[in-house]
Amino acid sequence: GIQVEQSPPDLILQEGANSTLRCNFSDSVNNLQWFHQNPWGQLINLFYIPSGTKQNGRLSATTVATERYSLLYISSSQTTDSGVYFCAVERVYNNNDMRFGAGTRLTVKP
Amino acid sequence: NAGVTQTPKFQVLKTGQSMTLQCAQDMNHNSMYWYRQDPGMGLRLIYYSASEGTTDKGEVPNGYNVSRLNKREFSLRLESAAPSQTSVYFCASSEGGARVKTQYFGPGTRLLVL
Repeated sequence: GIQVEQSPPDLILQEGANSTLRCNFSDSVNNLQWFHQNPWGQLINLFYIPSGTKQNGRLSATTVATERYSLLYISSSQTTDSGVYFCAVERVYNNNDMRFGAGTRLTVKP
Repeated sequence: NAGVTQTPKFQVLKTGQSMTLQCAQDMNHNSMYWYRQDPGMGLRLIYYSASEGTTDKGEVPNGYNVSRLNKREFSLRLESAAPSQTSVYFCASSEGGARVKTQYFGPGTRLLVL
């Protein structure tokens, strides 16, 4: 099956700092999503981004499908950004079979 | 809209017992999913239903069965629970088809099998 690798596994930041999270995948995809799991376990969809760039407030994401990676940028981080960030992909011709990476655990300190 | 709801929130079972986890969505989505999340790991797909009346195996289907009861509801059954099935179970839904497949998740069910 498709391999999804996220880096770094852990990241500790001071409030106000910027960060970049990376997701590499081993095959062509027709769906890539970024999620945030908060400390209470709730999963929130941040971006649906199989290709191109999107921005939502302090967060933005870029997927370069031809090179099989995606980046999530967090600017001016806040303590509420803490949690685990997952990317998930759906391989072309495997509709609905979503595979998740192991996640990046982000801790933002005040 | 409630979004995606799951019941129960927490359950303790003894080895060999059976139970059904319930999931419902009110967004008129075609596709629904069941995942499990083990400590320190990402989510793994157990089963999915691309549309009402269809179900397919995901990455880790052994020991589970599912039923797509109607467009709104998708249940997950453990026939004979094992300690290895201790996990947090998440249900999700998405529009499916050719449209954007943004997934929306329920709050999860914590299952402990003794």
